[in-house]
Amino acid sequence: SYELTQPPSVSVAPGETATLTCGGDDFHSRSVYWYQHKPGQAPVLVVYDDKDRPPGIPERFSGSTSGNTATLTIGGVAAGDEADYYCQVWDLGADPVVFGGGTKLTVL
Amino acid sequence: VQLGQSGAEVKKPGTSVQVSCKPSGQAFRGFDIHWVRRAPGQRLEWMGWLNVNTGNTGYAQKFQGRVTLTSDSSTRTVYMELRGLRFDDTAVYYCAKASGAAAFDSWGQGTLVTVSS
Repeated sequence: SYELTQPPSVSVAPGETATLTCGGDDFHSRSVYWYQHKPGQAPVLVVYDDKDRPPGIPERFSGSTSGNTATLTIGGVAAGDEADYYCQVWDLGADPVVFGGGTKLTVL
Repeated sequence: VQLGQSGAEVKKPGTSVQVSCKPSGQAFRGFDIHWVRRAPGQRLEWMGWLNVNTGNTGYAQKFQGRVTLTSDSSTRTVYMELRGLRFDDTAVYYCAKASGAAAFDSWGQGTLVTVSS
């Protein structure tokens, strides 16, 4: 089955840039989605189709893919950005929806 | 689209739970409702989908035979039933909307299901 690999945690100081990675195969042929999930809240889509932002998502959030790695970059990190971040793709295998393991972003 | 879910549930092991999801803000057609759960300390886990036009469904291998998704067009509500509850089914269950193989652009507020003896 298809798998997405994310580092369990990333820590950055306020105002710095957070780089969250997602490893997988065939990113050139599939779109990557990123979700922000804070405790007690519903997940929020922050990037779709690799690099596009939904309305209301700040420009500080940007996505990219290169080879077997998708990246979510959060510029000027603030305390309010602390959350778990998940990448997700669609797959033609038995389970069409695949989430990565999630990365916990901590703002120091 | 906003998705409104039913309230928290406490269930005993071996029983079943049904969680509802009611979309509002657009016509009840042209999209799929997916169910995703997050157990304490675990990742987001996809469970299955239902197309509100056709009622067609698909389920994650892990939940095949234990979960059923249904819809009622008269009440514009989608239901998720999980049977044979186990302690490790304790989780927050979310419904989410997608239009085909696209982003989950709307999510319900989540329903906490606690399995406890």
